[in-house]
Amino acid sequence: DIQMTQSPSSLSASVGDRVTIICRASQGIRSDLGWYQQKPGKAPKRLIYSASILESGVPSRFSGSGSETEFILTISSLQPEDFATYYCQHHNTFPRTFGGGTKVEMK
Amino acid sequence: EVQLLESGGGLVQPGGSLRLSCAASGFTFSIYIMTWVRQVPGKGLEWVSAISTDGGTAYYEDSVKGRFTISRDNSKNTLYLQMNSLTVDDTAIYYCAKGGWTDDWGQGTLVTVSS
Repeated sequence: DIQMTQSPSSLSASVGDRVTIICRASQGIRSDLGWYQQKPGKAPKRLIYSASILESGVPSRFSGSGSETEFILTISSLQPEDFATYYCQHHNTFPRTFGGGTKVEMK
Repeated sequence: EVQLLESGGGLVQPGGSLRLSCAASGFTFSIYIMTWVRQVPGKGLEWVSAISTDGGTAYYEDSVKGRFTISRDNSKNTLYLQMNSLTVDDTAIYYCAKGGWTDDWGQGTLVTVSS
């Protein structure tokens, strides 16, 4: 099974900061990766698929990059509504494992 | 608009069984792989199971193999998860999601396994 490792597990940031979250796969997964945002008490929402394609309606301050084993989610200028937990998930084979999550908290 | 409505969660004793349902609407259900994901409250997401479009192929996370069975009824636009031999470690919110790439999610149903 492919293991997904996210870092950091949490971070503190201020509105306007640039935020970077890393996701590493235990083996190459091409660009078969999605990024999800989850707010407390809500279901996850997909932000990005195929590593870098933004879902319709997702603000352009979110971007994704990477391939094979290393992927990055970047929030270019953190907004108040972006404080949440972010997960990566590979879509390469089954089981389609998630990363452990990164909680973005207000500094 | 895609809608996924899970039901069937609740309190069950260890060793018991439960069947979850997910009613889908707003898309052509029969052409999508469907997925179950769970989340222990306050913890991370765990992929559980997925099923092919015709129901002929199922995939499971190791800890549920042999205990959980995923199925679907394309005539009713409904996804199921039969859960047997439940343990306390199965306590979680169970989400159904559209697609093998989990592009849309329901709001989840809480399963609590406790004596």
